[in-house]
Parts: sequence; C-alpha cells; structure tokens
Amino acid sequence: DAEITQSPRHKITETGRQVTLACHQTWNHNNMFWYRQDLGHGLRLIHYSYGVQDTNKGEVSDGYSVSRSNTEDLPLTLESAASSQTSVYFCASSELYTDTQYFGPGTRLTVL
Amino acid sequence: GESVGLHLPTLSVQEGDNSIINCAYSNSASDYFIWYKQESGKGPQFIIDIRSNMDKRQGQRVTVLLNKTVKHLSLQIAATQPGDSAVYFCAEIRAQNAGNMLTFGGGTRLMVKP
Repeated sequence: DAEITQSPRHKITETGRQVTLACHQTWNHNNMFWYRQDLGHGLRLIHYSYGVQDTNKGEVSDGYSVSRSNTEDLPLTLESAASSQTSVYFCASSELYTDTQYFGPGTRLTVL
Repeated sequence: GESVGLHLPTLSVQEGDNSIINCAYSNSASDYFIWYKQESGKGPQFIIDIRSNMDKRQGQRVTVLLNKTVKHLSLQIAATQPGDSAVYFCAEIRAQNAGNMLTFGGGTRLMVKP
C-alpha cells in the first residue's frame, strides 16, 4: 500500500548540530509539506514543495531548509539546531490541485 | 491576523452519546475545510471535508456543518465510541497555485467515558 514515512521517529541532538529529518511518500504526490507541532500552537507550516526542484517558505521557516531532488522525498534540515526547535515534526503530501493532505507518523526531536 | 480556532479545548462525553466539536474561522475567502483526528503518538488523520458551497456533509457516523454567515463549522460524531478519543483539528484551505495551504486551529481533545 502507498504510504508516507518519516525517520527517525525519535531524535535527541545537541545545540549547534546539523540534523536532517527524512520524509518519504510512495503515493507519487506532487505536493509535500513540513509542519511542526507544539503545545499551544497547533500545527505550523515550515516549508512546502509543489514538485521537484520547487521549495517554498512557510510560516516558521527560519532555521530550516528543504530540498526536493525527486518526487518521493522532502528532507528537512536544521542547519544549527536550537533548543527552540524541540518539537514534533510532521510531513504531509497531497496530489497536485487537490486539497487533502495525508500525514506521516511524526518525528519527535529534542535539542539539548 | 486571520486564523482558525476552536471554542473548547477539552470535551468529555459518555460512550454512546453524540459529540459536537466546534470551530470558528475568520478568513471569509477560505473555500474548503477539513477535519482531522489525531491520536496520541500519531499523525493527523483525515476525517471529513466540506467546501464552502455546501452547508452539510455526512460521512460514516460523522457530520460536518458549515455556517458561512457566522464563519463557524462543527463536527458531529454520532454514538461516540472509546476509539473516538483523540484531538480533533479543523483546518481551512486557502487556494494557492498548484497546492493549497492548510491553516490549523489549536485542537480540541475529545475524551470518551465508558
């Protein structure tokens, strides 16, 4: 069955380190999204992509970057992790010109 | 700024009763709304959606009502079951280019008492 997966599911890192979170979908969806979820803020959009080589900033993009070299993957990179980036990160995807986004299981990131 | 929000952070209901979860939105240009269910340790799961040209849409045990006049939508769950216990989010869609931007509300936790 087609699905969307994230890895790792849990990650602990130190302030200043570079961290990359993986997102992989097998639906062949054009659109992919990264969100972070924090208590009191719900889900907030970090970056999104409408296709290969396309990336766009979301509401809370500072300190994060993404790249889209193929349809299936949208890795999220924290160039220099900060404690404020401790959160649960969700990846989502949707078909071109459709609205419903399908979410992965999430990655819990702790920055010490 | 414009936002999507929820009236009640926690809703506790008895098993078998009906549940109603409310959501207010402020962007009158939004034309599509989705309800998501999120269980502990999992990602949000699509439940039901509704477009702005509709007032009501029904699914299996769930109904979404949209009142554009007061910018309010609700999720009704019939015969609530313990498996319905989760956090429920409403989200609005603002059409943009080839993909649509989701703006989420803060969530309501539904607790089902046996």
